[in-house]
Amino acid sequence: DVVMTQSPLSLPVTLGQPASISCRSSQSLVYSDGNTYLNWFQQRPGQSPRRLIYKVSNRDSGVPDRFSGSGSGTDFTLKISRVEAEDVGVYYCMQGTHWPPSITFGQGTRLEIK
Amino acid sequence: EVQLVESGGGLVQPGRSLRLSCTASGFTFGDYAMSWFRQAPGKGLEWVGFIRSKAYGGTTEYAASVKGRFTISRDDSKSIAYLQMNSLKTEDTAVYYCTRGGGYDDSPFDYWGQGTLVTVSS
Repeated sequence: DVVMTQSPLSLPVTLGQPASISCRSSQSLVYSDGNTYLNWFQQRPGQSPRRLIYKVSNRDSGVPDRFSGSGSGTDFTLKISRVEAEDVGVYYCMQGTHWPPSITFGQGTRLEIK
Repeated sequence: EVQLVESGGGLVQPGRSLRLSCTASGFTFGDYAMSWFRQAPGKGLEWVGFIRSKAYGGTTEYAASVKGRFTISRDDSKSIAYLQMNSLKTEDTAVYYCTRGGGYDDSPFDYWGQGTLVTVSS
């Protein structure tokens, strides 16, 4: 299976400051159709996961524009330009390129307010 | 408004079976693949399996950890996806989520249900 490695795993951030989460895959996530199936999810405490970004950089409807995704091949980044209190939670990257055998997630990055 | 509502979770003994349902509304259910994920207490997210739409054969794929024990099906007339779980193990204890889409969709996993808790314990 493709291994997804996130860093950092814990991210204390001051309100209003930027934040960045890295996600690296053990293989290139470029599929034969030319798309890269790398998604980012946010899971607030006690809630279901919510998709923020799909195919590397496409922001979902309703997601604030302070969230952005970038990257290519095996290296990807989720950036929050100015952290707000509602951003507290765990962030996961997920690859949907190499499956079967399996869609795989990163370990999750816990964002907290410093 | 797209909604996905999981049901059927509960406490079950090891070795027994349970069937989860995912009732969809707000979109043309039959046009979409449906996926299941799970999250063990305090752990990360894990993909369980996926069923394609009938247009793509309605075929299924499963994670190695559940293959041969879990079966995903769908009833497009009722807008429901099912997850039949047999030979349950304690390590299957988790919140189970259904999501819309999967595979190489243009926009996979865009909507998630609220989840249903399955506890496997004697």
